[in-house]
Amino acid sequence: AQSVTQLDSHVSVSEGTPVLLRCNYSSSYSPSLFWYVQHPNKGLQLLLKYTSAATLVKGINGFEAEFKKSETSFHLTKPSAHMSDAAEYFCVVSGPSGSTLGRLYFGRGTQLTVWP
Amino acid sequence: DGGITQSPKYLFRKEGQNVTLSCEQNLNHDAMYWYRQDPGQGLRLIYYSQIVNDFQKGDIAEGYSVSREKKESFPLTVTSAQKNPTAFYLCASSPPEENTIYFGEGSWLTVV
Repeated sequence: AQSVTQLDSHVSVSEGTPVLLRCNYSSSYSPSLFWYVQHPNKGLQLLLKYTSAATLVKGINGFEAEFKKSETSFHLTKPSAHMSDAAEYFCVVSGPSGSTLGRLYFGRGTQLTVWP
Repeated sequence: DGGITQSPKYLFRKEGQNVTLSCEQNLNHDAMYWYRQDPGQGLRLIYYSQIVNDFQKGDIAEGYSVSREKKESFPLTVTSAQKNPTAFYLCASSPPEENTIYFGEGSWLTVV
């Protein structure tokens, strides 16, 4: 079975400091993993995705994530937070290869607050 | 511009009424999806469609119905059988050759 656990429901950082949003997954096969960002009352925007290529994945807006199979983790990081990064972030794992892509499994989200 | 358009953005419904949420995409994507989002619960799959005239139930299909008569359109009807319909609804689509789905801006449905 596939599942995703986002370890923090809320993270607060000061502008200019590093961001770490933690995600652990459970999967019985080699998964595809995604991070999406959602601003208030908006849809989800893809930040980055891992699909069994390089384990360090770079995304938009300076975010990156590292796939660690031994730790079953896919944590999202950014060296320096910006006020515009304040949003909700979702870690997502895909269903088995060959299944519909819509069978995504979402974490419950991490709300990122950035203080000036 | 290419994208996924959901309408209306905000909708109020009286109990006992059916309501239809529109989702249109001009990305030429084959697959389309409907998700429901409740605070603190992530997203849950309602229905999905991989080709025209075909669709499948997701994890929480009870009280909802869909149609896929055109590739570009995947409307969702929230019926009076849905016990707790107040939520944020997200439509998404994906191309067959890419392992990614793309989301619309969402629609808020409130039952009053």
